[in-house]
Amino acid sequence: DVKVTQSSRYLVKRTGEKVFLECVQDMDHENMFWYRQDPGLGLRLIYFSYDVKMKEKGDIPEGYSVSREKKERFSLILESASTNQTSMYLCASSSYGTGGSRLWNSPLHFGNGTRLTVT
Amino acid sequence: DQQVKQNSPSLSVQEGRISILNCDYTNSMFDYFLWYKKYPAEGPTFLISISSIKDKNEDGRFTVFLNKSAKHLSLHIVPSQPGDSAVYFCAAHSTGNQFYFGTGTSLTVIP
Repeated sequence: DVKVTQSSRYLVKRTGEKVFLECVQDMDHENMFWYRQDPGLGLRLIYFSYDVKMKEKGDIPEGYSVSREKKERFSLILESASTNQTSMYLCASSSYGTGGSRLWNSPLHFGNGTRLTVT
Repeated sequence: DQQVKQNSPSLSVQEGRISILNCDYTNSMFDYFLWYKKYPAEGPTFLISISSIKDKNEDGRFTVFLNKSAKHLSLHIVPSQPGDSAVYFCAAHSTGNQFYFGTGTSLTVIP
């Protein structure tokens, strides 16, 4: 079974702090993703990466950055935390798909999430 | 703009009966659809998927139906069990593009 591990289940940070959310996957997956989940809004893609040192913006990248120095690890960074970044953050990974679609043709495997509260 | 919509935030069903969860989408280019199940304090887990070349896919108690002309997707759970109580998300994508998720439907199966 694929295991995606997020380092913290709950975090409480103050406005303005720099916050690091860590994610590790153990299945040698090429693709990794960061989503946030908010009531009434579903899951929204923040950033994704399809290779080491590669990153692409998702739908809501503002206020976030990412780092992928190793294939198994994908970090989400909140440069200066704000209260509107209070949310559930979900990391996911997937392997390359078939049929010519490098990134999106196989299911995502999610971690258990990090509940971040910014006060 | 939500490209994938789940218009029912919640659903309650008696144990043993059928649960039907619905999902609508707007992008006719979507060609791969999935359902995820999420328990509290856990991440979503993949449940079942369907390609746009099919109209039905079955896996045990779970069946997904796709109506491309109506841009409608549904998940049937028969028979429903208390352990099925969770939030269900549908997701869709078009080849080479990202997944879009619905807002989720909370299913409660009453013993």
